[in-house]
Formats: sequence, structure tokens, C-alpha cells
Amino acid sequence: EPEVTQTPSHQVTQMGQEVILRCVPISNHLYFYWYRQILGQKVEFLVSFYNNEISEKSEIFDDQFSVERPDGSNFTLKIRSTKLEDSAMYFCASSEWGVLSSSYEQYFGPGTRLTVT
Amino acid sequence: SQQGEEDPQALSIQEGENATMNCSYKTSINNLQWYRQNSGRGLVHLILIRSNEREKHSGRLRVTLDTSKKSSSLLITASRAADTASYFCAPMDSNYQLIWGAGTKLIIKP
Repeated sequence: EPEVTQTPSHQVTQMGQEVILRCVPISNHLYFYWYRQILGQKVEFLVSFYNNEISEKSEIFDDQFSVERPDGSNFTLKIRSTKLEDSAMYFCASSEWGVLSSSYEQYFGPGTRLTVT
Repeated sequence: SQQGEEDPQALSIQEGENATMNCSYKTSINNLQWYRQNSGRGLVHLILIRSNEREKHSGRLRVTLDTSKKSSSLLITASRAADTASYFCAPMDSNYQLIWGAGTKLIIKP
């Protein structure tokens, strides 16, 4: 069964450094998402991406963050100048949903645990 | 806040019993989805109910939706130890964005 994959599973970085979190969505999916979940807290939407551009973004997704689909398979989240409060699990998700499809389920990757020290 | 709110926050039951979790939301929705998250792991999609549906079944799962009350429930029948996880309801709003609550932590005691 196809699945969303994410690398690395755990990333430790020092405050002020840049990190890139990588995701490979399910191949025939059209929409891609990034979420984060601070330990013990609720899932927070960061950004959605469709047709090579951001379709929605939350207040959290400020200039510190950027997303890119550098090739036909990868979807990346870059966090510049990381802060302690960026420590969280970051989940990538993809969905088949589009105008011609009514499939709204999102399929999540296993997450990348980001620890900023 | 437009987030979904799950109730209870935590639920502990004996294996074999039924578990019921409730969810309320504030916005108009396109559909409502339930997800499960095992500790420290990713979210797994369980079931989706559309705004024009009132009840849906999938295996041991039964979901209801009352759009007039802006509420939903998830029933897990004949619970098993492997059902131990956090359960999240995620209404999808008119912008097709999922709105997440804090989840219900379900513990099934063997």
C-alpha cells in the first residue's frame, strides 16, 4: 500500500541553524500539507501546496518557513534560523483531492521529530 | 477558535467494552474526519463522514454527525488493547482545511 515517507525521523539542530525536512507524498496525490505538533499538544496546520504553489498557510507559517517541490517526488519544508520553540513533530500529508476527485482523506507520514537546542 | 473539541480528554475502559468519543466544532463543514495517533507516531485516517450523512460504519467503528448541533461521535465497539491511542476529530471547513482539536486519549485495559 502506498504511503507517505519522511526523512529524517529525528533531526537535532542548534538554535539559529537552518533545517530542511523532506517528504515523499503518495505519487498520484495532488495536494500536500505540512503540520506540526508540539509534544502533548494539538496538531497545527502550517501550509498546503497545490500545483506548485502554496494554496493556504496559517499564521504560524511566517517568513521563517518555506516549502518547495524540487522535483516530481519530494516535498520539503525549510525552517530558517530555528528557535527553541520550533521543537516539535513535523508531519507531512498528501491527499488525492482535487476538482475531479471527491477524496478528501489526508494520508500522513510518520513525522520528523525536530529538536532545537 | 474554529478548532474541533474532543470530549472526553481521556478515557480508560476495559478491553471488550465500547468506547465513545465526542467532538464539537464551530464552523460550517464540508465533511468531518476521524484520525488515530499512536504515541509518538503519525496520524492514521479512520473514517470520513460527509456533511449530508448522519451515520457511517467501518468495521468496529461507527461515526455519527449532527450538523444542526455541530457535533460528531466516534464509537469503537468491542475494544481491544491495540485500540489504545489518541483519537482526533478533524472537521474540514469550507476552505477544505482540516481543523484539529486536542484529541481524546483512549486507554484500553487488558
